[in-house]
Amino acid sequence: EAGVAQSPRYKIIEKRQSVAFWCNPISGHATLYWYQQILGQGPKLLIQFQNNGVVDDSQLPKDRFSAERLKGVDSTLKIQPAKLEDSAVYLCASSLGESSYEQYFGPGTRLTVT
Amino acid sequence: AQSVTQLDSHVSVSEGTPVLLRCNYSSSYSPSLFWYVQHPNKGLQLLLKYTSAATLVKGINGFEAEFKKSETSFHLTKPSAHMSDAAEYFCVVSQITGFQKLVFGTGTRLLVSP
Repeated sequence: EAGVAQSPRYKIIEKRQSVAFWCNPISGHATLYWYQQILGQGPKLLIQFQNNGVVDDSQLPKDRFSAERLKGVDSTLKIQPAKLEDSAVYLCASSLGESSYEQYFGPGTRLTVT
Repeated sequence: AQSVTQLDSHVSVSEGTPVLLRCNYSSSYSPSLFWYVQHPNKGLQLLLKYTSAATLVKGINGFEAEFKKSETSFHLTKPSAHMSDAAEYFCVVSQITGFQKLVFGTGTRLLVSP
């Protein structure tokens, strides 16, 4: 079974630039999550999708972050404009559904903002 | 709201000696608790989970954890460390607010020396 795929794996941008990350969840997984993991901290949930609808984006900085999951499959997370404090690893995870406890994580995208 | 506290940021052991990674939780009701492991440049992997069944939970790679309600603890143990166990370990509590939401601790880095 293929795992959660993410790209790019690494990205370096200057502050005020924009960046986008892509995630392809495990086939058949209805729930998709984006997490932000700052160095030395645990992952923090940014947004959760159930199929193509948002069910929790309470910790997403909506003035600069946006995410979409068209057709309920893959997803993109965008930052525009980026700030220095956005430097982090962005993790995508998926699960079968909201009642399934196991989330499967992708390898993450390491973003460095200079 | 639920939260977890990982009591050690770093734990160092010698190969073949026992491992103890400590986690305390805070929850207003009976929690679901997890341990995840993160190897360098790899995605987070579920080690084990507690969901109100047996209080002693066995996971992969010889790890186990015991849920102690009286102590609000969920410590992770392994009888004998292996070099491949060196990684970052996260204690996680599930916050169910309509949909499952994982709240991660700050992580414990396990170092294993020969």
